[in-house]
Amino acid sequence: AQSVTQPDIHITVSEGASLELRCNYSYGATPYLFWYVQSPGQGLQLLLKYFSGDTLVQGIKGFEAEFKRSQSSFNLRKPSVHWSDAAEYFCAVGVYNFNKFYFGSGTKLNVKP
Amino acid sequence: DAGVTQSPTHLIKTRGQQVTLRCSPKSGHDTVSWYQQALGQGPQFIFQYYEEEERQRGNFPDRFSGHQFPNYSSELNVNALLLGDSALYLCASSLEGGGYEQYFGPGTRLTVT
Repeated sequence: AQSVTQPDIHITVSEGASLELRCNYSYGATPYLFWYVQSPGQGLQLLLKYFSGDTLVQGIKGFEAEFKRSQSSFNLRKPSVHWSDAAEYFCAVGVYNFNKFYFGSGTKLNVKP
Repeated sequence: DAGVTQSPTHLIKTRGQQVTLRCSPKSGHDTVSWYQQALGQGPQFIFQYYEEEERQRGNFPDRFSGHQFPNYSSELNVNALLLGDSALYLCASSLEGGGYEQYFGPGTRLTVT
């Protein structure tokens, strides 16, 4: 069965520090992977997506993610976190030609000044 | 260019009642997906509509039904409401063949008492 796991429920980093949010997926075929961010009271905004090709993908707001097939992972990274990055982050996998999506349970990011 | 809009913003219903939530997709989009996001959880896929038909469904009972209109707007109906239906309901729109990026609305917060 398809699933997405985000092992870290909460993460706190200092402003300016680097960030890595973990995501593991379970899917038998080639996955189509996404990272979204959700600020309080807002809908989800797409940060980046992976379909094929280069396993390191760049997104908006300085985020990047690396697809590692051998580890079934798609971790999100940012070299220097800003206070405005505090939000909840969701990893998702698209299946059945993108007609169905599975989301992880999210990682809430706090940023210390 | 208006993004995805949803109405109402908040809704309070009693157990056993029925509710209808509405979604207008981003201009130019023809596909609408609905998600349920319980407190502290990631979005769970309910179903997707394209060309006025449901073409994929998540693990939700038949109490959850939907409709897509010729102008691509959509409704989510939930019958015989349960306390467990309390959640944020998100609508996402996308363009078939357009890179599969989903644009999310701000959601409708449903509280069942």
